[in-house]
Amino acid sequence: ETGVTQSPTHLIKTRGQQVTLRCSSQSGHNTVSWYQQALGQGPQFIFQYYREEENGRGNFPPRFSGLQFPNYSSELNVNALELDDSALYLCASSLCASKGGPCYEQYFGPGTRLTVT
Amino acid sequence: AQTVTQSQPEMSVQEAETVTLSCTYDTSESDYYLFWYKQPPSRQMILVIRQEAYKQQNATENRFSVNFQKAAKSFSLKISDSQLGDAAMYFCALLGSNFGNEKLTFGTGTRLTIIP
Repeated sequence: ETGVTQSPTHLIKTRGQQVTLRCSSQSGHNTVSWYQQALGQGPQFIFQYYREEENGRGNFPPRFSGLQFPNYSSELNVNALELDDSALYLCASSLCASKGGPCYEQYFGPGTRLTVT
Repeated sequence: AQTVTQSQPEMSVQEAETVTLSCTYDTSESDYYLFWYKQPPSRQMILVIRQEAYKQQNATENRFSVNFQKAAKSFSLKISDSQLGDAAMYFCALLGSNFGNEKLTFGTGTRLTIIP
């Protein structure tokens, strides 16, 4: 157990809807990263938040957005859901010395399985 | 751009035997970190072992060890005395030192089966 929690565990949505996924980071961590893992693939980086500021973004459209709160928990929002958004969404927390790093290991939560029909 | 390649989609090993999982990577950075993560059916990604590129000594964690060949950009994982609980997907991952974007780049994974 890493101390990183995610909710909900599973979610089924319809194409065009919006979804919010939540992540509570491990105690003492100040950075949260979000990854999308399609079936049979490795995780792909979506974006990262350091102390409530976005700190890097992968190759995902603007309909993927996020927030980090003062307690370092985080949300991932996806608008206008598409069938290809069906995946396991993982969040990982870490402790970074500053926005430019260095950071220590990323610890992952159990993920949210999103199915878009 | 950073890339990680795992060329073995599936591997199997007899319980108590040794197995090696392969990983190659590419990065233009001189300093970086390499990881092996394990993902069992429970889906939680668990850190197995970490290697700093500036360290020549190979990392070891109990039954898990790596063979890090920096010049060849190779980072293999050796699991000794395989146990049933080792069955999982194993992902090799690279973290660049280009600070400001602390993202992990993952390979496509190797599914490890342990044969009783």
